[in-house]
Amino acid sequence: DTEVTQTPKHLVMGMTNKKSLKCEQHMGHRAMYWYKQKAKKPPELMFVYSYEKLSINESVPSRFSPECPNSSLLNLHLHALQPEDSALYLCASSQVGLSYNEQFFGPGTRLTVL
Amino acid sequence: KNEVEQSPQNLTAQEGEFITINCSYSVGISALHWLQQHPGGGIVSLFMLSSGKKKHGRLIATINIQEKHSSLHITASHPRDSAVYICAVRSGYGGSQGNLIFGKGTKLSVKP
Repeated sequence: DTEVTQTPKHLVMGMTNKKSLKCEQHMGHRAMYWYKQKAKKPPELMFVYSYEKLSINESVPSRFSPECPNSSLLNLHLHALQPEDSALYLCASSQVGLSYNEQFFGPGTRLTVL
Repeated sequence: KNEVEQSPQNLTAQEGEFITINCSYSVGISALHWLQQHPGGGIVSLFMLSSGKKKHGRLIATINIQEKHSSLHITASHPRDSAVYICAVRSGYGGSQGNLIFGKGTKLSVKP
Protein backbone atom coordinates (compact mmCIF):
# COMPACT_ATOMS: atom_id res chain seq x y z
CA ASP A 1 0.00 0.00 0.00
CA THR A 2 1.73 3.15 -1.24
CA GLU A 3 -1.19 5.48 -0.76
CA VAL A 4 -1.95 8.46 1.42
CA THR A 5 -5.68 8.93 1.89
CA GLN A 6 -7.48 12.07 2.98
CA THR A 7 -11.04 12.68 4.08
CA PRO A 8 -13.22 14.44 3.31
CA LYS A 9 -12.50 15.32 -0.32
CA HIS A 10 -14.51 18.52 -0.05
CA LEU A 11 -15.57 20.51 3.01
CA VAL A 12 -17.67 23.65 3.27
CA MET A 13 -17.83 25.29 6.67
CA GLY A 14 -18.91 28.49 8.29
CA MET A 15 -16.60 30.69 10.30
CA THR A 16 -18.07 29.47 13.59
CA ASN A 17 -17.89 25.76 12.80
CA LYS A 18 -15.44 23.20 14.15
CA LYS A 19 -14.35 20.51 11.72
CA SER A 20 -11.45 18.11 11.24
CA LEU A 21 -9.45 16.92 8.27
CA LYS A 22 -8.08 13.39 8.37
CA CYS A 23 -5.06 11.79 6.74
CA GLU A 24 -3.98 8.15 6.84
CA GLN A 25 -1.07 6.12 5.51
CA HIS A 26 0.02 2.52 5.99
CA MET A 27 3.50 2.69 4.51
CA GLY A 28 5.23 2.70 7.89
CA HIS A 29 6.25 6.32 7.43
CA ARG A 30 7.02 8.12 10.67
CA ALA A 31 6.97 11.66 9.25
CA MET A 32 3.72 13.30 8.23
CA TYR A 33 3.06 16.76 6.84
CA TRP A 34 0.26 19.26 6.34
CA TYR A 35 0.46 21.69 3.44
CA LYS A 36 -1.88 24.47 2.36
CA GLN A 37 -2.20 25.27 -1.32
CA LYS A 38 -4.00 28.31 -2.73
CA ALA A 39 -5.09 28.36 -6.36
CA LYS A 40 -2.24 28.56 -8.86
CA LYS A 41 0.35 28.65 -6.08
CA PRO A 42 2.77 25.99 -4.87
CA PRO A 43 2.04 24.22 -1.58
CA GLU A 44 3.06 25.94 1.66
CA LEU A 45 4.25 23.81 4.54
CA MET A 46 2.15 24.15 7.70
CA PHE A 47 3.22 21.37 10.09
CA VAL A 48 5.58 18.41 10.26
CA TYR A 49 5.23 15.49 12.65
CA SER A 50 8.16 13.20 13.27
CA TYR A 51 7.58 10.05 15.35
CA GLU A 52 4.16 11.45 16.31
CA LYS A 53 5.70 14.59 17.75
CA LEU A 54 5.29 18.05 16.24
CA SER A 55 8.68 19.01 14.86
CA ILE A 56 7.88 21.96 12.61
CA ASN A 57 5.16 24.58 12.94
CA GLU A 58 5.52 27.20 10.25
CA SER A 59 3.92 30.01 12.29
CA VAL A 60 0.44 28.75 11.51
CA PRO A 61 -2.48 30.54 13.26
CA SER A 62 -3.89 28.73 16.27
CA ARG A 63 -7.24 28.24 14.53
CA PHE A 64 -5.44 25.31 12.87
CA SER A 65 -4.61 22.59 15.38
CA PRO A 66 -2.76 19.46 14.23
CA GLU A 67 -2.88 16.12 15.98
CA CYS A 68 -1.03 12.88 15.34
CA PRO A 69 -2.80 10.19 17.43
CA ASN A 70 -0.67 7.34 16.07
CA SER A 71 1.92 6.60 13.43
CA SER A 72 -0.67 6.13 10.68
CA LEU A 73 -3.03 9.01 11.31
CA LEU A 74 -2.76 12.75 11.09
CA ASN A 75 -5.60 15.15 11.84
CA LEU A 76 -6.02 18.86 11.32
CA HIS A 77 -8.64 20.42 13.57
CA LEU A 78 -10.23 23.60 12.29
CA HIS A 79 -11.99 26.23 14.38
CA ALA A 80 -13.08 29.81 13.73
CA LEU A 81 -11.58 29.87 10.26
CA GLN A 82 -11.62 32.85 7.94
CA PRO A 83 -12.68 32.92 4.28
CA GLU A 84 -9.03 33.41 3.30
CA ASP A 85 -8.32 29.95 4.76
CA SER A 86 -10.18 28.44 1.82
CA ALA A 87 -7.64 26.30 0.00
CA LEU A 88 -6.59 22.77 -0.87
CA TYR A 89 -5.10 21.08 2.20
CA LEU A 90 -2.60 18.39 1.34
CA CYS A 91 -1.21 15.70 3.58
CA ALA A 92 2.06 13.92 2.86
CA SER A 93 4.21 11.28 4.50
CA SER A 94 7.78 10.07 4.29
CA GLN A 95 10.39 8.06 6.12
CA VAL A 96 12.37 9.82 8.83
CA GLY A 97 16.09 10.08 9.27
CA LEU A 98 17.44 10.87 5.83
CA SER A 99 16.86 14.28 4.35
CA TYR A 100 16.42 12.89 0.87
CA ASN A 101 13.37 10.76 1.65
CA GLU A 102 10.60 10.95 -0.90
CA GLN A 103 7.32 12.47 0.21
CA PHE A 104 4.08 10.79 -0.82
CA PHE A 105 1.13 13.14 -1.14
CA GLY A 106 -2.56 12.56 -0.59
CA PRO A 107 -5.31 13.80 -2.93
CA GLY A 108 -6.10 16.76 -0.70
CA THR A 109 -9.20 18.20 0.94
CA ARG A 110 -10.75 21.18 -0.83
CA LEU A 111 -11.88 23.51 1.96
CA THR A 112 -14.28 26.40 1.47
CA VAL A 113 -14.93 28.77 4.37
CA LEU A 114 -18.07 30.86 4.01
CA LYS B 1 14.70 35.88 -6.50
CA ASN B 2 13.03 32.53 -5.79
CA GLU B 3 15.28 29.73 -4.64
CA VAL B 4 13.66 27.41 -7.17
CA GLU B 5 12.90 28.72 -10.65
CA GLN B 6 10.98 26.81 -13.29
CA SER B 7 10.62 27.50 -16.98
CA PRO B 8 8.49 27.86 -18.87
CA GLN B 9 5.56 28.92 -16.68
CA ASN B 10 3.08 27.76 -19.31
CA LEU B 11 3.58 25.32 -22.14
CA THR B 12 1.21 24.24 -24.89
CA ALA B 13 2.15 21.31 -27.08
CA GLN B 14 0.61 19.12 -29.75
CA GLU B 15 0.07 15.47 -29.00
CA GLY B 16 3.21 13.49 -29.77
CA GLU B 17 5.66 16.33 -29.19
CA PHE B 18 8.75 16.01 -27.02
CA ILE B 19 8.47 18.28 -23.99
CA THR B 20 11.12 19.70 -21.70
CA ILE B 21 10.53 21.54 -18.44
CA ASN B 22 13.47 23.12 -16.68
CA CYS B 23 14.24 23.77 -13.04
CA SER B 24 17.11 25.80 -11.60
CA TYR B 25 17.84 26.23 -7.93
CA SER B 26 20.18 28.40 -5.92
CA VAL B 27 20.57 26.45 -2.66
CA GLY B 28 22.53 23.37 -1.72
CA ILE B 29 20.23 20.41 -1.92
CA SER B 30 20.11 16.79 -0.87
CA ALA B 31 17.37 15.83 -3.35
CA LEU B 32 15.14 17.23 -6.04
CA HIS B 33 11.57 16.14 -6.66
CA TRP B 34 9.41 16.36 -9.75
CA LEU B 35 5.73 16.39 -8.88
CA GLN B 36 2.58 16.30 -11.01
CA GLN B 37 -0.71 17.92 -10.10
CA HIS B 38 -3.85 17.62 -12.20
CA PRO B 39 -6.42 20.44 -11.99
CA GLY B 40 -8.13 20.47 -8.62
CA GLY B 41 -6.26 17.35 -7.58
CA GLY B 42 -3.63 16.05 -5.27
CA ILE B 43 0.06 15.77 -5.98
CA VAL B 44 1.78 12.73 -7.42
CA SER B 45 5.49 12.27 -6.95
CA LEU B 46 7.07 11.45 -10.32
CA PHE B 47 10.75 11.36 -9.44
CA MET B 48 13.15 12.02 -6.63
CA LEU B 49 16.71 12.64 -7.80
CA SER B 50 19.99 13.29 -6.09
CA SER B 51 22.19 12.67 -9.12
CA GLY B 52 22.16 11.49 -12.72
CA LYS B 53 19.05 10.44 -14.56
CA LYS B 54 15.87 8.46 -13.97
CA LYS B 55 13.33 7.10 -16.45
CA HIS B 56 9.79 5.93 -15.91
CA GLY B 57 7.75 5.12 -18.97
CA ARG B 58 7.66 8.23 -21.17
CA LEU B 59 9.09 10.44 -18.46
CA ILE B 60 12.78 11.16 -18.00
CA ALA B 61 14.32 13.35 -15.31
CA THR B 62 17.90 14.52 -15.21
CA ILE B 63 19.87 16.55 -12.72
CA ASN B 64 23.21 18.34 -12.93
CA ILE B 65 24.33 19.05 -9.37
CA GLN B 66 27.27 21.23 -10.43
CA GLU B 67 25.05 23.46 -12.56
CA LYS B 68 22.14 23.30 -10.06
CA HIS B 69 19.76 22.40 -12.84
CA SER B 70 17.24 19.67 -13.55
CA SER B 71 15.05 18.86 -16.52
CA LEU B 72 11.89 16.83 -16.89
CA HIS B 73 11.29 15.39 -20.34
CA ILE B 74 8.10 13.85 -21.67
CA THR B 75 8.38 11.83 -24.85
CA ALA B 76 5.39 11.26 -27.17
CA SER B 77 3.22 13.64 -25.15
CA HIS B 78 -0.46 12.87 -24.71
CA PRO B 79 -3.44 15.02 -23.64
CA ARG B 80 -3.57 13.09 -20.34
CA ASP B 81 -0.13 14.57 -19.56
CA SER B 82 -1.83 17.95 -19.20
CA ALA B 83 -1.15 19.03 -15.63
CA VAL B 84 1.00 21.32 -13.54
CA TYR B 85 4.53 20.01 -13.06
CA ILE B 86 6.26 21.20 -9.92
CA CYS B 87 9.95 21.09 -9.11
CA ALA B 88 10.75 20.94 -5.39
CA VAL B 89 14.11 20.71 -3.66
CA ARG B 90 15.02 19.51 -0.24
CA SER B 91 17.77 21.67 1.17
CA GLY B 92 20.51 20.52 3.48
CA TYR B 93 21.97 17.13 4.19
CA GLY B 94 21.31 14.37 6.71
CA GLY B 95 19.32 14.72 9.88
CA SER B 96 15.59 15.06 10.15
CA GLN B 97 13.01 16.78 8.04
CA GLY B 98 14.21 19.59 5.88
CA ASN B 99 11.50 21.58 4.18
CA LEU B 100 10.67 21.13 0.54
CA ILE B 101 11.18 24.36 -1.39
CA PHE B 102 8.73 24.47 -4.27
CA GLY B 103 8.98 26.08 -7.67
CA LYS B 104 5.90 27.88 -8.97
CA GLY B 105 5.07 25.10 -11.37
CA THR B 106 4.80 24.72 -15.12
CA LYS B 107 1.31 24.38 -16.54
CA LEU B 108 1.38 21.96 -19.47
CA SER B 109 -1.48 21.63 -21.95
CA VAL B 110 -1.21 18.94 -24.60
CA LYS B 111 -3.66 19.38 -27.47
CA PRO B 112 -4.94 16.38 -29.45
